[in-house]
Amino acid sequence: DAGVIQSPRHEVTEMGQEVTLRCKPISGHDYLFWYRQTMMRGLELLIYFNNNVPIDDSGMPEDRFSAKMPNASFSTLKIQPSEPRDSAVYFCASSLGRSYNEKLFFGSGTQLSVL
Amino acid sequence: SQQGEEDPQALSIQEGENATMNCSYKTSINNLQWYRQNSGRGLVHLILIRSNEREKHSGRLRVTLDTSKKSSSLLITASRAADTASYFCATAIRETSGSRLTFGEGTQLTVNP
Repeated sequence: DAGVIQSPRHEVTEMGQEVTLRCKPISGHDYLFWYRQTMMRGLELLIYFNNNVPIDDSGMPEDRFSAKMPNASFSTLKIQPSEPRDSAVYFCASSLGRSYNEKLFFGSGTQLSVL
Repeated sequence: SQQGEEDPQALSIQEGENATMNCSYKTSINNLQWYRQNSGRGLVHLILIRSNEREKHSGRLRVTLDTSKKSSSLLITASRAADTASYFCATAIRETSGSRLTFGEGTQLTVNP
C-alpha cells in the first residue's frame, strides 16, 4: 500500500481565496483524521471521521473550515475564505480499528501558505 | 492546552550515546504512543504502551509508563545520526467527547556523527 496520500504537497494562495486539501487514506482504514501543525500551537486535531461519518469536529477553528468524506477512499478539507493565520502544515492520518487505541498512519502533509 | 508535555524541548547528543525523552500528562489515559517526525515529513508511529503496561521494547527503543506519576519516557539506545528528528508523545484519553489522540509539543533530538 502507498500509505496515506495527500495533495497538494505545497499550496501558496492569497488571502480570501478558497483552498482545498485532499487526502486518500490507506485502504481498509475506517478512521480518518485531519490535523494542523504550527510552531505556536503544535499538532491540533481538527476533525475525524469514522466510516465516512464526521464524529468530532470540535477542533475546527471556524466556520471557514469544512471537511467532507464522500467515500472511504477520499476526504477533503476546505478553507473558504483563507486567511494568513491559516498558514500551517495540514496532515491527514488514518487508522484501522474500532477505537483510538490503534496507531495512526500520517500522510506527508500539505504546507499551506496564505499571503 | 496540550495533554502531553515533553521534556526536554531539545536534546543534542553524540552518536552511540543513549537519548532519553520524557512525557508528562494530566488525565487518565487508555494508552500512550510515541511518534517520530523527520523534518518536512509526516509523523511515524514508533510504539504504543497501554495503561496496564509498565514497560515495552522495540528494537533500540524502550518505553516506560508510570500511571501514578502520569509520565512516560522514551529511551533510544546506541543512537545514530539517522535518529535525528522530533519525537512526540500522544495520549489516548479516557473520557472525552470522542476518540482522539492528543499530541505533546515534541522533543527535537539531534544526534551528532
